[in-house]
Amino acid sequence: SQTIHQWPATLVQPVGSPLSLECTVEGTSNPNLYWYRQAAGRGLQLLFYSVGIGQISSEVPQNLSASRPQDRQFILSSKKLLLSDSGFYLCAWSSQGPYEQYFGPGTRLTVT
Amino acid sequence: TQLLEQSPQFLSIQEGENLTVYCNSSSVFSSLQWYRQEPGEGPVLLVTVVTGGEVKKLKRLTFQFGDARKDSSLHITAAQPGDTGLYLCAGDELNSGYSTLTFGKGTMLLVSP
Repeated sequence: SQTIHQWPATLVQPVGSPLSLECTVEGTSNPNLYWYRQAAGRGLQLLFYSVGIGQISSEVPQNLSASRPQDRQFILSSKKLLLSDSGFYLCAWSSQGPYEQYFGPGTRLTVT
Repeated sequence: TQLLEQSPQFLSIQEGENLTVYCNSSSVFSSLQWYRQEPGEGPVLLVTVVTGGEVKKLKRLTFQFGDARKDSSLHITAAQPGDTGLYLCAGDELNSGYSTLTFGKGTMLLVSP
């Protein structure tokens, strides 16, 4: 069966510090991968998606970036965090066929 | 960008009551999915509907896709405290072989014992 992991689970970082969140998927090959941000327990905002290694599409201009160095690894980064970057970050994957997305447990980021 | 409107935004009911939440759009979707999310966790996929008029049942939950594939509803019979959570609908926008999902803002359901 497929599983998706995210770490860290929680993170508190000062403004201006760098960020690296990691997501890995097991049990599937060549998944589509997604990064979302969720504010205050409401809807999800798509940040980035990837259909293959090194292929990243950005949905929202911001100081965040994403990379996919391996087939089942997706990384969300920032060089300098802003207060507005605080939120709940979710990684998801989907196969090429049914287009259903499966989410990881999330990372709670607080920028102070 | 296709928009999905969910209603109500918040619903507080007693155990044993029935309820319906709605997901509406002016656009047509290839498919529509419902997720449930508990606090501090990632959303969990409940169901996918793909055919206009389709009805799917998952125990006490009944999902319906509108005939025109622009809207969907989720009906819960005899709600239980374990049904508490944020219910999200998401529309599937097919494009060049990959998928992006448009999410509604969710309905927060609280079922009290």
